[in-house]
Amino acid sequence: DVKVTQSSRYLVKRTGEKVFLECVQDMDHENMFWYRQDPGLGLRLIYFSYDVKMKEKGDIPEGYSVSREKKERFSLILESASTNQTSMYLCASSVKHTYTDTQYFGPGTRLTVL
Amino acid sequence: GEDVEQSLFLSVREGDSSVINCTYTDSSSTYLYWYKQEPGAGLQLLTYIFSNMDMKQDQRLTVLLNKKDKHLSLRIADTQTGDSAIYFCAEAGSFILTGGGNKLTFGTGTQLKVEL
Repeated sequence: DVKVTQSSRYLVKRTGEKVFLECVQDMDHENMFWYRQDPGLGLRLIYFSYDVKMKEKGDIPEGYSVSREKKERFSLILESASTNQTSMYLCASSVKHTYTDTQYFGPGTRLTVL
Repeated sequence: GEDVEQSLFLSVREGDSSVINCTYTDSSSTYLYWYKQEPGAGLQLLTYIFSNMDMKQDQRLTVLLNKKDKHLSLRIADTQTGDSAIYFCAEAGSFILTGGGNKLTFGTGTQLKVEL
């Protein structure tokens, strides 16, 4: 079974703090993704990575950065958290070069910025 | 760009069938997916269908694809309270990610409520 884990289920931070969200997958997947989920907006892609040290912006990268130093780990960084970044953050991974592009998701981190 | 639309809410009685609908705009979609999200959890892949198929059945789940109308539906037979969740439709469209693979575009999700 594919397992994607995220470091925290719930996180509360203050405006201006630097926030790290960690994601680890155990299936040697090349691709990893960070999404945010907001009611009525579905999932929106923030960043993805297709290899170690490689990253590409998604649809809403502003205010975020990412780091992928090891294949199994993909970190999302909020340099200076703001209240409009309060959201559910979902990490996913997938195998490259398959027919189905199936993505496997972690349990999510619900971040509240006060 | 690609767009995937779903209605936000659906309420059914336990034992009835549920039908969740989805429309998409990208005619080059290769695969279409249904994911389920239970309260407080991540997304779990339920099923997927290749774009050259028009139906796929998996136990209580039936997926119907009308490629001409770009319409996808998920039917859950004998709906149970444990089926209460948000259901997301997603499509792997024409946008190719750097390094390979298709970007998935997700719908807004349909909240299914099962009443006794």
